Amino acid sequence: QSALTQPASVSGSPGQSITISCTGTSSDVGGYNYVSWYQQHPGKAPKLMIYDVSNRPSGVSNRFSGSKSGNTASLTISGLQTEDEADYYCSSYTSSGNWVFGGGTKLTVL
Amino acid sequence: EVQLVESGGGLVQPGGSLILSCAASGFPFSGSPIHWVRQASGKGLEWVGRIRDKANSYATAYAASVKGRFTISRDDSKNTAYLQMNSLKTEDTAVYYCTRQAVGTAGYDYWGRGTLVTVSS
Repeated sequence: QSALTQPASVSGSPGQSITISCTGTSSDVGGYNYVSWYQQHPGKAPKLMIYDVSNRPSGVSNRFSGSKSGNTASLTISGLQTEDEADYYCSSYTSSGNWVFGGGTKLTVL
Repeated sequence: EVQLVESGGGLVQPGGSLILSCAASGFPFSGSPIHWVRQASGKGLEWVGRIRDKANSYATAYAASVKGRFTISRDDSKNTAYLQMNSLKTEDTAVYYCTRQAVGTAGYDYWGRGTLVTVSS
């Protein structure tokens, strides 16, 4: 199972919006509404930000939103804040019964 | 307070074995699927495998990179999951996290802090 494809890096200024894409295939992202997004700060464990494509766990800011079109899922962060600077990973369930992560995207808040 | 605490990491030689534990508290462990995820230094997250609950016959699944070498088990009476790692390779060197899959969803809502496994001679 190949890793999902994410851009290596994205950047934005405080207050702006950015979108991180996560491209898979019809056997993973496109086939199921089981895409999740995780935020990871250096030296810390990942934190769930979005589950099942577009649902936010309790306590996660509504500045974070998720969507999917075909084989590509997206995470949008609006009103960027300095504390949003982190690595972001997508994950999807696959037709083989396994899970797969994206390669990760480093978000820099300029 | 929900907690997942991994232990058992350390230095092991190539070809060796190691057992990691994941002690859980603060949530109904017996009904929760548990996954293991690893991260090599400076690299991304890699899904290792998962074990479902008793109602789903404790079914396991593994990434191709570890299938046949790693085994996941659980002891619900101890609220603990395990990752038995055999025939270790240098490329298995990573921080290993255990994480809970939220029931009814595909998201991992609780994570441990991880335990470092180093495979080196």
